[in-house]
Amino acid sequence: KNQVEQSPQSLIILEGKNCTLQCNYTVSPFSNLRWYKQDTGRGPVSLTIMTFSENTKSNGRYTATLDADTKQSSLHITASQLSDSASYICVVSGDDYKLSFGAGTTVTVRA
Amino acid sequence: AAGVIQSPRHLIKEKRETATLKCYPIPRHDTVYWYQQGPGQDPQFLISFYEKMQSDKGSIPDRFSAQQFSDYHSELNMSSLELGDSALYFCASSRPQGETQYFGPGTRLLVL
Repeated sequence: KNQVEQSPQSLIILEGKNCTLQCNYTVSPFSNLRWYKQDTGRGPVSLTIMTFSENTKSNGRYTATLDADTKQSSLHITASQLSDSASYICVVSGDDYKLSFGAGTTVTVRA
Repeated sequence: AAGVIQSPRHLIKEKRETATLKCYPIPRHDTVYWYQQGPGQDPQFLISFYEKMQSDKGSIPDRFSAQQFSDYHSELNMSSLELGDSALYFCASSRPQGETQYFGPGTRLLVL
């Protein structure tokens, strides 16, 4: 069973609108959680990384939150742009440095 | 800024052939990770190296081997290729283990 679950599987939003992606994990012990953006056929690009003590972290129009108690994270995209169309992957690292990948949320931004 | 370099970007092989994928980490990164991503699947961790020593092993088949060289670049050697080996192979690098991994563009392998 995958230790990282993401929702929704996919979503379509209009350019300029906001959206929020969810990530629930069961990885334990927990080291850190990353959000990656992956364009089709390309390598994932790191957006944010958060450790146990961090609740929120921003990177431009991307804001990630982490609740280590409930083992939930979210990625909020503000004022979406066409270039935001991609797969967003939640990756959780345990203390053994192995990464557990979520299946990703495919975001499509339409003009 | 320099990124992770992988070569080749695309590779076509026939069954039972061998293939070698190369990864050049970001300068001053001493840790390299290899991942396999099948069509429509999330990346699966294969193996990692830290300071030229294997640091962790995931779901890497026995037909595959890898090493990290003195200049920190790494090579993934794949023998007796099977159709199921067709996938996107990512290399990532980081500074000490546990820090953010930066991914290369991947090598797309097609086994016919």
